[in-house]
Amino acid sequence: GENVEQHPSTLSVQEGDSAVIKCTYSDSASNYFPWYKQELGKRPQLIIDIRSNVGEKKDQRIAVTLNKTAKHFSLHITETQPEDSAVYFCAAWGGGSNYKLTFGKGTLLTVNP
Amino acid sequence: NAGVTQTPKFRVLKTGQSMTLLCAQDMNHEYMYWYRQDPGMGLRLIHYSVGEGTTAKGEVPDGYNVSRLKKQNFLLGLESAAPSQTSVYFCASNRGGTASEQYFGPGTRLTVT
Repeated sequence: GENVEQHPSTLSVQEGDSAVIKCTYSDSASNYFPWYKQELGKRPQLIIDIRSNVGEKKDQRIAVTLNKTAKHFSLHITETQPEDSAVYFCAAWGGGSNYKLTFGKGTLLTVNP
Repeated sequence: NAGVTQTPKFRVLKTGQSMTLLCAQDMNHEYMYWYRQDPGMGLRLIHYSVGEGTTAKGEVPDGYNVSRLKKQNFLLGLESAAPSQTSVYFCASNRGGTASEQYFGPGTRLTVT
């Protein structure tokens, strides 16, 4: 089955700096890669996603890049703000008959004012 | 739309007791999932369903059973609770067919003493 590795497990940045979180996946048939943000005590919520036919997607201060050859994808947050502090999860949806997301273990991002 | 709802929000059980967690969605989604979340372990899939009357095992199914008698509901049962089942449980759903956004419920915090 699919295996998703996420790094780093914790990341601390100063307000205004950029943050990058990286994930690798194992199943070359995976075709959908969402990123979820989970604030303390809340449910995970989708912040951006990318499909395998696209190399990069941007939404205001967040962007995701996908390298299918290397089987890795990354989340980039620019001009970080304290409200960006949360746990971020990457995930991969396997192609074919696979009906589920496989999640990375998460990255705790702390943005220091 | 209420989206994905979970009942109850909190529960304390004694070892050996049983309980059922209810997940309901009003988005006419085909696929539904139960995850557990423990510190440092990310989201681990317990069981999932790709349609009414179907269920399948996820990554950590032992000690849990599920049923999907109605399309909008997905029940998670613990027959004989153990302290190792202390966790936060999240239900999720997506429309199915092709990879698409997955919506999470608010979570149930379960403590087994």
